[in-house]
Amino acid sequence: DTAVSQTPKYLVTQMGNDKSIKCEQNLGHDTMYWYKQDSKKFLKIMFSYNNKELIINETVPNRFSPKSPDKAHLNLHINSLELGDSAVYFCASSPFTGGTEAFFGQGTRLTVV
Amino acid sequence: AQSVTQPDIHITVSEGASLELRCNYSYGATPYLFWYVQSPGQGLQLLLKYFSGDTLVQGIKGFEAEFKRSQSSFNLRKPSVHWSDAAEYFCAVGVGKTSYDKVIFGPGTSLSVIP
Repeated sequence: DTAVSQTPKYLVTQMGNDKSIKCEQNLGHDTMYWYKQDSKKFLKIMFSYNNKELIINETVPNRFSPKSPDKAHLNLHINSLELGDSAVYFCASSPFTGGTEAFFGQGTRLTVV
Repeated sequence: AQSVTQPDIHITVSEGASLELRCNYSYGATPYLFWYVQSPGQGLQLLLKYFSGDTLVQGIKGFEAEFKRSQSSFNLRKPSVHWSDAAEYFCAVGVGKTSYDKVIFGPGTSLSVIP
């Protein structure tokens, strides 16, 4: 059983398109995140949601819009894709209590051409 | 501002040799500290974590790390490296009211293992 699953694993698309990445966790966690890993493997948090409520938005362009239909799902929609959006996007989840870690999905490699 | 530095971008060791990966952080309060490993094409897996108590923490796969408050460091060690340990290693600091309000990752250290 996969704890945090993302789809698709790979996504190749043209500039200007709109795309979505889906994430689901079956761990019963209250908090979910989106991280971006650039070509130099630098990881940076984009968003965090707690029980469907936005907690953190790290100055991400408005073209990125997370949506959490329930606390087990956090999808990432990206409008008007740009070349610079090419990266690996990781979804993660954690219980919203102190002293715990996050569990990461396998990542979605987005390539914008 | 909070930050995490990993001074070594890339390290190469021989199989069976000991390993130490360095991590320094900048954070005003008591930090929550993590080490994650990322194998090629994979997500991140937690190796170990420190929240309080004993400053020497044991993790999975034979890894350990020591928290040194005076040096703002949380170095990762392994006494004998295996070829399967070749991967990217990330040190991270949890900041905020709970440990995972926000996590700041270091730039990573890439480990190569010579058979």
